[in-house]
Amino acid sequence: QKEVEQNSGPLSVPEGAIASLNCTYSDRGSQSFFWYRQYSGKSPELIMSIYSNGDKEDGRFTAQLNKASQYVSLLIRDSQPSDSATYLCAVYGSGGYNKLIFGAGTRLAVHP
Amino acid sequence: DARVTQTPRHKVTEMGQEVTMRCQPILGHNTVFWYRQTMMQGLELLAYFRNRAPLDDSGMPKDRFSAEMPDATLATLKIQPSEPRDSAVYFCASIDRVNTGELFFGEGSRLTVL
Repeated sequence: QKEVEQNSGPLSVPEGAIASLNCTYSDRGSQSFFWYRQYSGKSPELIMSIYSNGDKEDGRFTAQLNKASQYVSLLIRDSQPSDSATYLCAVYGSGGYNKLIFGAGTRLAVHP
Repeated sequence: DARVTQTPRHKVTEMGQEVTMRCQPILGHNTVFWYRQTMMQGLELLAYFRNRAPLDDSGMPKDRFSAEMPDATLATLKIQPSEPRDSAVYFCASIDRVNTGELFFGEGSRLTVL
């Protein structure tokens, strides 16, 4: 079992719709969770972080965390073609040295 | 504008050659990560350093890869000898505090081994 799992997609949504991206993780002791966005040919950039159970909103983005289910999600409201990218879930493990582990990413395509 | 700088941006080499990639982290950042990204495996953590000391290099093939941080402004990743399966984009990233998760990535070094 991979430490951080995501559906590779592609997830295709029409412009203006809500895109829902999901991620599960295996380390029950993980405390810090992140979503990065990566455009084709570019490096990843941080868009959201979440540390507590529940929802965290930032503009059109909402991150949701459920530690009991070891599940974290990202909702993108009013999706725009410019949101088309690969979204990477990243988790800090609870083990020594706290290395940041990335999922394989979900490719999102927003079509006009 | 503080940024992580990686060189070279692109490298094409033949199998068996030595490859060295360099990274200059953001000034003041004390933790540096090396990741490798391929279509098949995604972003894999190869190694990371804190205050120049290697903390974990378990993701790195030990027989051919080595990572060092000779000073606070330079991290290196060396492959010797290189193989076609090493073809990937290698990212360096740095953070100033562990557990914030705010990794600042360099633009990556795209390596092609023929």
